[in-house]
Amino acid sequence: QQQVKQSPQSLIVQKGGISIINCAYENTAFDYFPWYQQFPGKGPALLIAIRPDVSEKKEGRFTISFNKSAKQFSLHIMDSQPGDSATYFCAARRETSYDKVIFGPGTSLSVIP
Amino acid sequence: NAGVMQNPRHLVRRRGQEARLRCSPMKGHSHVYWYRQLPEEGLKFMVYLQKENIIDESGMPKERFSAEFPKEGPSILRIQQVVRGDSAAYFCASSPETTNYGYTFGSGTRLTVV
Repeated sequence: QQQVKQSPQSLIVQKGGISIINCAYENTAFDYFPWYQQFPGKGPALLIAIRPDVSEKKEGRFTISFNKSAKQFSLHIMDSQPGDSATYFCAARRETSYDKVIFGPGTSLSVIP
Repeated sequence: NAGVMQNPRHLVRRRGQEARLRCSPMKGHSHVYWYRQLPEEGLKFMVYLQKENIIDESGMPKERFSAEFPKEGPSILRIQQVVRGDSAAYFCASSPETTNYGYTFGSGTRLTVV
């Protein structure tokens, strides 16, 4: 019930294309869904986050879509650039109780010129 | 305002030695979380601490691992009698008292057991 599933494991996208990463969760008590970006040798950095009272959140080229009834959410990266090449983790948390963040297994994104 | 500071960045230990990993949270942050990342794998929760208290240690191995966050000084993750399987990147994250923010992670300590 604590698990967060994520797909695909790896993704190759052409420069300018759309990168899409999908996640699913089981625990309906989760109320905060962040995405983290990690470059090799670095710690994960918060990219964008959403709460279940909205169905979509957009920040620049990054958009989260959230489907509460299906318990699924996804990250869309528009106009993908080589600098976006990194590992992306979706995550979930019961924010209201200071609970730990549960991470998905990650998606390795490569954006090729 | 410095971010989450972890040291050392790289640590090499021989099998059977002790490893001590340090984490200084961001200024004003009172919650510390430790995660372990094995090569090509995701982040696995280990322990959640507040000052002088362990709140959730459900991800800590039962033996050889311990963590503390004293009233003064950094949080310490201690691994006794290290084995090759402990080789991983260990990340610390901190968050403030309010719940409106996600974590801020440090750059990690990469432990290699030889």
